[in-house]
Amino acid sequence: DAKTTQPNSMESNEEEPVHLPCNHSTISGTDYIHWYRQLPSQGPEYVIHGLTSNVNNRMASLAIAEDRKSSTLILHRATLRDAAVYYCILSIYNQGGKLIFGQGTELSVKP
Amino acid sequence: NAGVTQTPKFQVLKTGQSMTLQCAQDMNHNSMYWYRQDPGMGLRLIYYSASEGTTDKGEVPNGYNVSRLNKREFSLRLESAAPSQTSVYFCASSELTGYGYTFGSGTRLTVV
Repeated sequence: DAKTTQPNSMESNEEEPVHLPCNHSTISGTDYIHWYRQLPSQGPEYVIHGLTSNVNNRMASLAIAEDRKSSTLILHRATLRDAAVYYCILSIYNQGGKLIFGQGTELSVKP
Repeated sequence: NAGVTQTPKFQVLKTGQSMTLQCAQDMNHNSMYWYRQDPGMGLRLIYYSASEGTTDKGEVPNGYNVSRLNKREFSLRLESAAPSQTSVYFCASSELTGYGYTFGSGTRLTVV
């Protein structure tokens, strides 16, 4: 299965932008890049996903490298409520779109 | 919208007992998934159903069985519970391959 590599933890200051990196060097051409976050004692929450082009939504932006071997989740202004574990995951197209989670990045936000 | 509903929310079982975790989605999604999450760990895929009538094993299928009862419902059965199956179980669904998942709020299972 295609794997992703993320830093174990990151810190940010409130109201500053946050860039969460992810490496996925074994990605296939039809695999989507997904980002989810999980707050304590809750289920994962969908953040954003993309295939080749950069994507924006109300929660975040996803910047995908031209060779698709890495991507960056951008939170434009971190708030205390953004403190969570962020998972970068590849959706394996030819295997029912299943998501294989890694360890994720634990983001802490300082006031 | 209810989204993905899991029942029960909490359960304590004795070793060797059996039980079924229920999951239902009201979004007309084609694909459904069962994950488990152990303390301090990421989620691991147990089984998934890419479409109604199909099921496939994930990363950690041993000790579990699943049934895709219809398009809405996907159940997970533990035939003979073991302490190693103590975990939080999450059900998820997605409209199509590659699309975003919606997760349920989880079932916290303890096997003593």
